[in-house]
Amino acid sequence: AQSVTQLGSHVSVSEGALVLLRCNYSSSVPPYLFWYVQYPNQGLQLLLKYTTGATLVKGINGFEAEFKKSETSFHLTKPSAHMSDAAEYFCAVTNQAGTALIFGKGTTLSVSS
Amino acid sequence: DAGVTQSPTHLIKTRGQQVTLRCSPKSGHDTVSWYQQALGQGPQFIFQYYEEEERQRGNFPDRFSGHQFPNYSSELNVNALLLGDSALYLCASSSSTGFGYTFGSGTRLTVV
Repeated sequence: AQSVTQLGSHVSVSEGALVLLRCNYSSSVPPYLFWYVQYPNQGLQLLLKYTTGATLVKGINGFEAEFKKSETSFHLTKPSAHMSDAAEYFCAVTNQAGTALIFGKGTTLSVSS
Repeated sequence: DAGVTQSPTHLIKTRGQQVTLRCSPKSGHDTVSWYQQALGQGPQFIFQYYEEEERQRGNFPDRFSGHQFPNYSSELNVNALLLGDSALYLCASSSSTGFGYTFGSGTRLTVV
């Protein structure tokens, strides 16, 4: 069965520091993987997705993620954090039928000045 | 280009009541999925509608039902509300010919 584990429910960084949010997945079929961001009292905004092809995926707002099949990981990174990056981040994998997303529990990113 | 529109944005209901939430998909999308996001948790898949039929369902009781209209808009109905149904309900639309989900801003349901 498909599942997602986000390591670290809360990550704190200083402005300008590297952001690394960890995501491991389990999938019985080749996975489609996603990272979403959620600001308070808002819906989900897609940061980036991996379907097939290049394993390094670039997204919006300077974020990128690398699909590593051997490690079943899809970690999200950003070289330099901004205050505006403070939000909740969710990693997701498609279900086996490809008809739904299975989300991790989320990681809250805090950015301090 | 309008994205996914959900209404209402907030709702307060009493235990035992029934509620209907509404969703208009992004232009060009024909598939609608509903998710429940409890406080501090990731969204959980409720069901998906395509061609006015429920195509797949997550692990939710029959109290949760839905409908899709010919214009692709959708409703989520929850009967016999429980306190535990308090959550943010998210609608996501997608195209049957492509891949990618667009989420709405959600409806915050509070059951008292």
